[in-house]
Amino acid sequence: KAGVTQTPRYLIKTRGQQVTLSCSPISGHRSVSWYQQTPGQGLQFLFEYFSETQRNKGNFPGRFSGRQFSNSRSEMNVSTLELGDSALYLCASSQQPGNEQFFGPGTRLTVL
Amino acid sequence: QKEVEQDPGPLSVPEGAIVSLNCTYSNSAFQYFMWYRQYSRKGPELLMYTYSSGNKEDGRFTAQVDKSSKYISLFIRDSQPSDSATYLCAMRSDDKIIFGKGTRLHILP
Repeated sequence: KAGVTQTPRYLIKTRGQQVTLSCSPISGHRSVSWYQQTPGQGLQFLFEYFSETQRNKGNFPGRFSGRQFSNSRSEMNVSTLELGDSALYLCASSQQPGNEQFFGPGTRLTVL
Repeated sequence: QKEVEQDPGPLSVPEGAIVSLNCTYSNSAFQYFMWYRQYSRKGPELLMYTYSSGNKEDGRFTAQVDKSSKYISLFIRDSQPSDSATYLCAMRSDDKIIFGKGTRLHILP
């Protein structure tokens, strides 16, 4: 069974731009969560989607948003990029919320 | 007080030694406890997933949860150089999941 896939793997943007990241969960998994990982803050929860609905949201500004499609694939968007948004963005999927989560390889975003 | 505390290391041990990694937490609402391994430039890989207090064993790995002390541990027996990675603990309640910042582990050949 294929794992979680994320595209693109690497991205370079400039301040003020926006970016969209994509995540395809493991087949049969309906819950998708997004995380931001930085050396200083570690792994921080962004939001969780299940059946196209956002279930939980972490403590991030409204510039960070996401959505989930009927096939469980998910996208996250960051608008008006700031230098501090440079991070590894990880997606994790599970069959149901609260079940074991499996991570993708991440998208490394660099904001210049 | 942070919700989850984890010593960042680095922790260096000789090959074959038993490794002990630990996390403490403050929120008694946490019900699920996980350990992830993360190699450089890779996503975290789930190693152990536990719910109740006590021990859970999987091969060379043993996860231990003590809810009364709010303390969880991961033991690695017969450590190998390939175990060199960052180990993240994670804890989940009904509405949130919190990760420790990870412990960097180096197994010396």
